[in-house]
Amino acid sequence: GQQLNQSPQSMFIQEGEDVSMNCTSSSIFNTWLWYKQDPGEGPVLLIALYKAGELTSNGRLTAQFGITRKDSFLNISASIPSDVGIYFCAGGDTDKLIFGTGTRLQVFP
Amino acid sequence: NAGVTQTPKFRVLKTGQSMTLLCAQDMNHEYMYWYRQDPGMGLRLIHYSVGEGTTAKGEVPDGYNVSRLKKQNFLLGLESAAPSQTSVYFCASSYRAWEVYGYTFGSGTRLTVV
Repeated sequence: GQQLNQSPQSMFIQEGEDVSMNCTSSSIFNTWLWYKQDPGEGPVLLIALYKAGELTSNGRLTAQFGITRKDSFLNISASIPSDVGIYFCAGGDTDKLIFGTGTRLQVFP
Repeated sequence: NAGVTQTPKFRVLKTGQSMTLLCAQDMNHEYMYWYRQDPGMGLRLIHYSVGEGTTAKGEVPDGYNVSRLKKQNFLLGLESAAPSQTSVYFCASSYRAWEVYGYTFGSGTRLTVV
C-alpha cells in the first residue's frame, strides 16, 4: 500500500537549535498534515496544509506543502525540551489519512 | 469532554486467545479508524468506518475484525491472537471534513501477545 517516508528517522539536538524534517510520497496528496505524539499519548494535530506551495506557521513550527504535492516539510525553530516526541506527517487520501513512518526528536538541555 | 476513549489501556494475551478493543467517542464524529503503531513503521491503518453500520479494510486488516453498530463506538476484535499482533493500537475519529480538523486520537492500547 501507500507509504510516506519520513527523514530523518531520529534526531538528537541541543535545546535552542532549529530542526528540519521532511516527508516524501510516491503518490500525490491534496492535503498534508503534521502531528506530534508525546510519550504514552495519541498523536495531536499541529499544522494542516491544503495547497501546493503553501507555507503555514503555528508558533515556532513552520510547515510547507511541496510544489510537486508529493512531499512536505516541517521546521521547528529554537527547540525546547517539550518538543520531545515523535512527529508524523500524514497525507489525505479520499476518506482517510496515510501516516508517515515518524521522526523521533530528542532535545538535550 | 472525554473525546476518544480506548479500553483497555494495557493487555497481555496468550497466543490463540481472543479479545475486543473498544473505542468510544462523544463528539458525534462520522468517521472512525483503528491504527497500529510499531517501531519504525509509523501508524498503519487496520480498518475504518465512514458511518454507523459501515466498515472498510485498511492497509493491514488480516487477523482483525471490526464492528460499528452504534455511531459512537468502534470495536476491534482479534479472533486468535498472534505474537505479530503485539503493538500499540490507536483509535481515531473525525468529522466528515477531516481535512480541516484532522483526527482526534485516543491514548492507545498497548497489547502484548506471548
